[in-house]
Amino acid sequence: AQSVAQPEDQVNVAEGNPLTVKCTYSVSGNPYLFWYVQYPNRGLQFRLKYITGDNLVKGSYGFEAEFNKSQTSFHLKKPSALVSDSALYFCAVRDIYSGAGSYQLTFGKGTKLSVIP
Amino acid sequence: DVKVTQSSRYLVKRTGEKVFLECVQDMDHENMFWYRQDPGLGLRLIYFSYDVKMKEKGDIPEGYSVSREKKERFSLILESASTNQTSMYLCASHPTGYYEQYFGPGTRLTVT
Repeated sequence: AQSVAQPEDQVNVAEGNPLTVKCTYSVSGNPYLFWYVQYPNRGLQFRLKYITGDNLVKGSYGFEAEFNKSQTSFHLKKPSALVSDSALYFCAVRDIYSGAGSYQLTFGKGTKLSVIP
Repeated sequence: DVKVTQSSRYLVKRTGEKVFLECVQDMDHENMFWYRQDPGLGLRLIYFSYDVKMKEKGDIPEGYSVSREKKERFSLILESASTNQTSMYLCASHPTGYYEQYFGPGTRLTVT
């Protein structure tokens, strides 16, 4: 079974400061990892993914995430937060060795990011 | 751009009604998914489909059924709506061999 934990329900950060949204995962094999963002009353928007290769993944809007296999983590980061980054962030995982139903993603419960002006 | 559309943004139904939620994608994706989203619980997979007329149960299929008669359309059916099915329902799709899923805007269903 695969699972994702987002240990913080809410993260508050001042505009211009660096932000981190934490994610840890559990899979039986190797993971595919994803970050999605959701603005109020909207669907989820893909932000970035780790499939293989460089542990530091750079995505859109200045976001990046670092895959750490030993700590089973995939934290989302941004050097300088904007008020417009305020949203609900979801981490998701898929085990690359999954059989039938292998396209299933397991999502974390979400972290609400608030960037304070 | 990939476009996933859902038939309604907001829906109010009465207990016991049969409810249809429609999802359409315009990019010829083989794989389609229905999730429900509840505060503090994240997204939970209800059903998914790999191809036309094919369906698989997700983590919480009880009280739901699905239909996929055409590749672009995946319908979620609540046979007899109950108040505990009040939720945000999200549809997603992606092509085979691709990794990230593309989501529709969601349908906020209220059952009274």
